[in-house]
Amino acid sequence: NAGVTQTPKFRVLKTGQSMTLLCAQDMNHEYMYWYRQDPGMGLRLIHYSVGEGTTAKGEVPDGYNVSRLKKQNFLLGLESAAPSQTSVYFCASSYVGTGELFFGEGSRLTVL
Amino acid sequence: GIQVEQSPPDLILQEGANSTLRCNFSDSVNNLQWFHQNPWGQLINLFYIPSGTKQNGRLSATTVATERYSLLYISSSQTTDSGVYFCAGLTDSWGKFQFGAGTQVVVTP
Repeated sequence: NAGVTQTPKFRVLKTGQSMTLLCAQDMNHEYMYWYRQDPGMGLRLIHYSVGEGTTAKGEVPDGYNVSRLKKQNFLLGLESAAPSQTSVYFCASSYVGTGELFFGEGSRLTVL
Repeated sequence: GIQVEQSPPDLILQEGANSTLRCNFSDSVNNLQWFHQNPWGQLINLFYIPSGTKQNGRLSATTVATERYSLLYISSSQTTDSGVYFCAGLTDSWGKFQFGAGTQVVVTP
């Protein structure tokens, strides 16, 4: 039972490069989320999705785009990476009925 | 928006000690959860506890939804309990969660 899987786990980018983080969940959850966590800080919501084909902005959406073409996948894109986007990114999902949240293992991104 | 306050912000325990962490909400929340972020950064579900009391080994949690707080009890602490403990509540019908800033726990041998 994989739960929530994030790829890649680590990535180093140069300023201006683009990349996509993939989140996949096998629990048939409706809701999916992308958070970022900076050193010594809590979790901040970037974007979220309440179902296939729908996305919405969270607290810190600037510089990121997302897509949810399939229910089980939620993609986070950085079109032009900046050093301020150096962070650990967590994907999460939840079932709309209970609202219990499950996290992936995180993806550590460094932008030079 | 809803504010979530966790206390204390930092806690140092000697192995074997007991402690209580608190989570206060400024307004009603649903589906309150506690998470442990271990020193390797993994976020582990501890309790899903909208109300009442649950126990899992040396950890237990109590949520009093009407008074907008939840408590996490750590008994007979071990070094593996070190890390950051977060509480979070579901704040609206669109599935948005509000997290506290966390309590950093260090358990010394």
